[in-house]
This record gives sequence, structure tokens and C-alpha cells, in this order.
Amino acid sequence: AQSVTQLDSHVSVSEGTPVLLRCNYSSSYSPSLFWYVQHPNKGLQLLLKYTSAATLVKGINGFEAEFKKSETSFHLTKPSAHMSDAAEYFCATGGSSNTGKLIFGQGTTLQVKP
Amino acid sequence: DAGITQSPRHKVTETGTPVTLRCHQTENHRYMYWYRQDPGHGLRLIHYSYGVKDTDKGEVSDGYSVSRSKTEDFLLTLESATSSQTSVYFCAIRVAERNEQFFGPGTRLTVL
Repeated sequence: AQSVTQLDSHVSVSEGTPVLLRCNYSSSYSPSLFWYVQHPNKGLQLLLKYTSAATLVKGINGFEAEFKKSETSFHLTKPSAHMSDAAEYFCATGGSSNTGKLIFGQGTTLQVKP
Repeated sequence: DAGITQSPRHKVTETGTPVTLRCHQTENHRYMYWYRQDPGHGLRLIHYSYGVKDTDKGEVSDGYSVSRSKTEDFLLTLESATSSQTSVYFCAIRVAERNEQFFGPGTRLTVL
């Protein structure tokens, strides 16, 4: 069965420092992987997705993620945090089957301190 | 926002009452989904639809039913609301050719 685990429920960084949000996946085949961001009282916005075309995926707002099969990881990074990055981030897998169903991790809250 | 609207956006109801949430899309996507979001659980799939009158259960479908009589509308019904169904409900559509899901703004439901 597919699953994702977000290793940190809360991450705090200072503005201008790097961001690392960790996600491990479990899948018996090559997965599709996604990162979504949710700002307070908003819906989810797709940041980026991995679908086996390239292991390093660039998304919106300067975020990127690297697929590492040997580590079953798909960590989200950004070189320099901005105050506007403060939000909740979700890793998800799935979507490749006919149903397109997604399985989400528990979420990581990113706090950005001035 | 992929043309997805949800109504109502907020609702407070009492235990035992029926509740229907509506998701409307403007782009004729075949696949639509209902998720619920609860702290510590991320989003969990309730039901999904792969066409008009074609629906199936997700991982947390107990106590919920859905209907899709038109491509653009996907309804989620709580036949008899319970306090455990207090949650934020998100509708999503899938752009199949890109394998991407886009989410509506959500409905915050409180069951007293």
C-alpha cells in the first residue's frame, strides 16, 4: 500500500535561511509525488510534482524537491525563506492509478521568524 | 483556482441533522473528490467520482454519501451529522492529462 510520512510536524526557520521539509514515501512501484502548500484559511495549492521525468523538480515560489529512490524520500527545499512562506505543507502520493486518488502526509507547519 | 467553488463555506449544525455540501466546477473534468482535513491527519479521501453517476468510496466513507447527476456538480451528504464529522471539507478536481489535482476553498463544518 502507498503511504507518505512527513518527518516533522513543525519546522521553524529564520527569514533568509534555507528551508528543508522532509517526506518519505512507501510504494511498491515508481510513485507520483506531490507537494502542496496551504496558507491559513485557504485551500491547497500545488507546489510541484514528481512523475519520473527528472529527479530534481522545480516548483513555484522558488521551491524544489529531489526524488531519491534509494532513500525513498522526496524532501522539499528552498534556499532562502521568506515571511510569506509561513504555511502548512503537505506531501502526497498517488494519482497514477485510474482513480487518481491521493494519499497525504500529516502535514508540516513552517514558521518563518523575522 | 481551476474554477472550483464550494458551498456553503461555513456551516454550523446540530447532531442528527442532515447536511449537504456542494462542489461546483466549470471545466468539465471527469474526476472529482471529497476530502476531509483534520489536525494531525492531513487530508483523507471520503468519496470520489469518475463520471456522472459513477462514484466510489475512499478511506473514510462511513457516514457519508455522494451524488453526481451532472458533470459540474458533486454533492457530499451527511445523512445524520455527528460531532466526529466536524472538520474542514475540501473538494478537488483532477486534470487527468497532467495527473494534477486542484482544490476548492473548503467548507468548515461544525456539528454541535
